[in-house]
Amino acid sequence: GEDVEQSLFLSVREGDSSVINCTYTDSSSTYLYWYKQEPGAGLQLLTYIFSNMDMKQDQRLTVLLNKKDKHLSLRIADTQTGDSAIYFCAVTGGFKTIFGAGTRLFVKA
Amino acid sequence: NAGVTQTPKFRVLKTGQSMTLLCAQDMNHEYMYWYRQDPGMGLRLIHYSVGEGTTAKGEVPDGYNVSRLKKQNFLLGLESAAPSQTSVYFCASIPAGTYGYTFGSGTRLTVV
Repeated sequence: GEDVEQSLFLSVREGDSSVINCTYTDSSSTYLYWYKQEPGAGLQLLTYIFSNMDMKQDQRLTVLLNKKDKHLSLRIADTQTGDSAIYFCAVTGGFKTIFGAGTRLFVKA
Repeated sequence: NAGVTQTPKFRVLKTGQSMTLLCAQDMNHEYMYWYRQDPGMGLRLIHYSVGEGTTAKGEVPDGYNVSRLKKQNFLLGLESAAPSQTSVYFCASIPAGTYGYTFGSGTRLTVV
């Protein structure tokens, strides 16, 4: 079946850029997302990209999509302590969305 | 406030007990979903619904049942709770033909 993989942890210093990577198997995915989950809360949609795009920028966030390699990345510029959270990659095809296991981002002051 | 509301937020069950988790959304969304979240495993789809009166199985449906009698509500039932069902359960909804779920804040269930 479809699979989405992410590394489980990332640690960066405050002010540096963070890059969270994701690979997926379903080449028919139409929407690809990044969600953010803070402790004790549900997932919050952070940004998304359509499968016919290769880059999207939204303030401090940059999403890159390499369809050939089925690789999605999220870059957070000028990472702040408030960015500490779990980040989930997710891909949608049809009615279902498949989520990765999440990358826990630690931001050191 | 518009959004997805889950009740209860916390629950402890004994093995073999049954319970129902309620998800309510006031955004007139067509599609609704139940996921469970376990450490290191991300979110796994239990059941979903693409409209009132319809339900379908997801990735891990065994031991759960669902109903969508009203468009705004999606109920998740545990018939006979098992310790393996200890998890955090999230409900999500989305309008048809669009992107990006709206999630509830979750129900933390412990089965002892």
